[in-house]
Amino acid sequence: DSGVTQTPKHLITATGQRVTLRCSPRSGDLSVYWYQQSLDQGLQFLIQYYNGEERAKGNILERFSAQQFPDLHSELNLSSLELGDSALYFCASSARQGGNSPLHFGNGTRLTVT
Amino acid sequence: DQQVKQNSPSLSVQEGRISILNCDYTNSMFDYFLWYKKYPAEGPTFLISISSIKDKNEDGRFTVFLNKSAKHLSLHIVPSQPGDSAVYFCAAGSSTSGTYKYIFGTGTRLKVLA
Repeated sequence: DSGVTQTPKHLITATGQRVTLRCSPRSGDLSVYWYQQSLDQGLQFLIQYYNGEERAKGNILERFSAQQFPDLHSELNLSSLELGDSALYFCASSARQGGNSPLHFGNGTRLTVT
Repeated sequence: DQQVKQNSPSLSVQEGRISILNCDYTNSMFDYFLWYKKYPAEGPTFLISISSIKDKNEDGRFTVFLNKSAKHLSLHIVPSQPGDSAVYFCAAGSSTSGTYKYIFGTGTRLKVLA
């Protein structure tokens, strides 16, 4: 158990809808990362937060947004969903935002857009 | 532009033998490298890391080697066990504009045959 909790585990929704994915980092970790894994693809970096502030952006679509709250949990909001957004979404946390601090992943949320 | 590449999508090894998983990177600014193991329906699990100031790091059956001049790292698993069958991801990190980003490879599926 990595200590990172993601909810829900599975989400099925229709095109055009909006969903929110939730992540609770490991106790004490200040940094939260979101990654997307499409079928047979690697992990694509979406966005990173550190202690409530956005710190880095990757290949995140404008239809997607995220935030990290004062209690350090994070939410990833996906709107105007398209079929191609179907993927596994992983959250990871680390103790620091610097190097030498490995990421610890949750078990992901599987999003299916129909 | 794939900055971190795992050119072997799959690898099969006999139980008890050595498994060698390879990873190449293009960005010389990467200074921290990690290996993750992923089972189906679970998040990636951190295995081992190496800083760019080292060329080898060992943890039990797992050893990571870093060749900075070749921009290449490898993970050795000795002896391989059937429970090691999983997808292995390498990741590389660098500091950019005061924060740290990790880029993942596309993974290598290891099958250890009993």
